[in-house]
Amino acid sequence: SYVLTQPPSVSVAPGQTARITCGGNNIGSKSVHWYQQKPGQAPVLVVYDDSDRPSGIPERFSGSNSGNTATLTISRVEAGDEADYYCQVWDSSSDHEVFGGGTKLTVL
Amino acid sequence: QVQLVESGGGVVQPGGSLRLSCAASGFTFSSYGMHWVRQAPGKGLEWVAFIRYDGSNKYYADSVKGRFTISRDNSKNTLYLQMNSLRAEDTAVYYCGGNSGYDSPFDYWGQGTLVTVSS
Repeated sequence: SYVLTQPPSVSVAPGQTARITCGGNNIGSKSVHWYQQKPGQAPVLVVYDDSDRPSGIPERFSGSNSGNTATLTISRVEAGDEADYYCQVWDSSSDHEVFGGGTKLTVL
Repeated sequence: QVQLVESGGGVVQPGGSLRLSCAASGFTFSSYGMHWVRQAPGKGLEWVAFIRYDGSNKYYADSVKGRFTISRDNSKNTLYLQMNSLRAEDTAVYYCGGNSGYDSPFDYWGQGTLVTVSS
């Protein structure tokens, strides 16, 4: 089955740029979606189809996808961005949705 | 506004059964594929099951295949998850979610319902 690999944690100072990676075999050929989840809340979509933003999501959130790695980039990080972030793809070979293990973003 | 409201969670003994429901409003439920996603305490998201907008296709995670059944009633705008032969490792918050196609993101999420499997 298809596996997505994320770093367990990323730390960044306020105002700096955070990059969260999502690794998978030839993930560049898939559409990658990213979710933000704060404690006790449901996930919220922040980037879809590799690099598009839903309405209401700040421009500080962006995404890219190429080769074996997709990346969520959060510019000018704020304290309110502290959360868990998950990548997600549809694996057509198994007809399964797949989530990465999640990355905890800590704002120092 | 869009709402997905899960219900039916609770405490059940190992080997028992439980049926979850997800009531949808604020969008055209019958046009959306629907999923169940769970999250064990302190763990990440795990996809559980999917049903196509018209109920014609259903897919399951290997960890629940043969034990869980997903279904929907488009006349009632409601999604279901019948869970049988429950195990301790099924303990989690169960979320329902909707998307418009196989490659599409989860546009809508419920707030989740907690299932605890314990003796």
